[in-house]
Amino acid sequence: SAVISQKPSRDICQRGTSLTIQCQVDSQVTMMFWYRQQPGQSLTLIATANQGSEATYESGFVIDKFPISRPNLTFSTLTVSNMSPEDSSIYLCSVGGTSSYNEQFFGPGTRLTVL
Amino acid sequence: GESVGLHLPTLSVQEGDNSIINCAYSNSASDYFIWYKQESGKGPQFIIDIRSNMDKRQGQRVTVLLNKTVKHLSLQIAATQPGDSAVYFCAENITSMDSSYKLIFGSGTRLLVRP
Repeated sequence: SAVISQKPSRDICQRGTSLTIQCQVDSQVTMMFWYRQQPGQSLTLIATANQGSEATYESGFVIDKFPISRPNLTFSTLTVSNMSPEDSSIYLCSVGGTSSYNEQFFGPGTRLTVL
Repeated sequence: GESVGLHLPTLSVQEGDNSIINCAYSNSASDYFIWYKQESGKGPQFIIDIRSNMDKRQGQRVTVLLNKTVKHLSLQIAATQPGDSAVYFCAENITSMDSSYKLIFGSGTRLLVRP
């Protein structure tokens, strides 16, 4: 599977500010995804990051709050905008595998705390 | 609606015993399922997967069983070890008509291994 890194690994931010999280993969991948994992909870898909086009957002998530970039096949960013304490979560990127199945492999996550 | 749930939020087992983690899913169109292991402070780690045209798949010390009739998935871990202590998530894959796909995660089960 691909090696996936995320930056930053953690951050503490003030409410009203924005944070951009980076996801880097060591090989070209077609599919990249962004998830949120609130404290003690499961993973919820935010959006699919499409290379060369706008991200596809899931219900409850909007581009103004979570703008996503996917400039190439190895990199994506997720911005958490105008943060509030409710945005305190782990944010995870994942990538699709290379087999014919739709497996996904995850990065280590970014732990965000909003004060 | 689309949902994946788990029966047992916490499972405590004796080291050396076998563990069984269960998961119920609701979408009959799900075509692929994955079990992930998440250790504290890390991203989910792919353990084993199974396609919807199979009912059993075995890996090293792990077996996944799929019962499509009752929409039930289980993960069996043989000879559970302290390193198996983690939160386990099942995830169901849903493929759309345009070939895009996404994972829906269950709520997670925490496995505690007693020495």
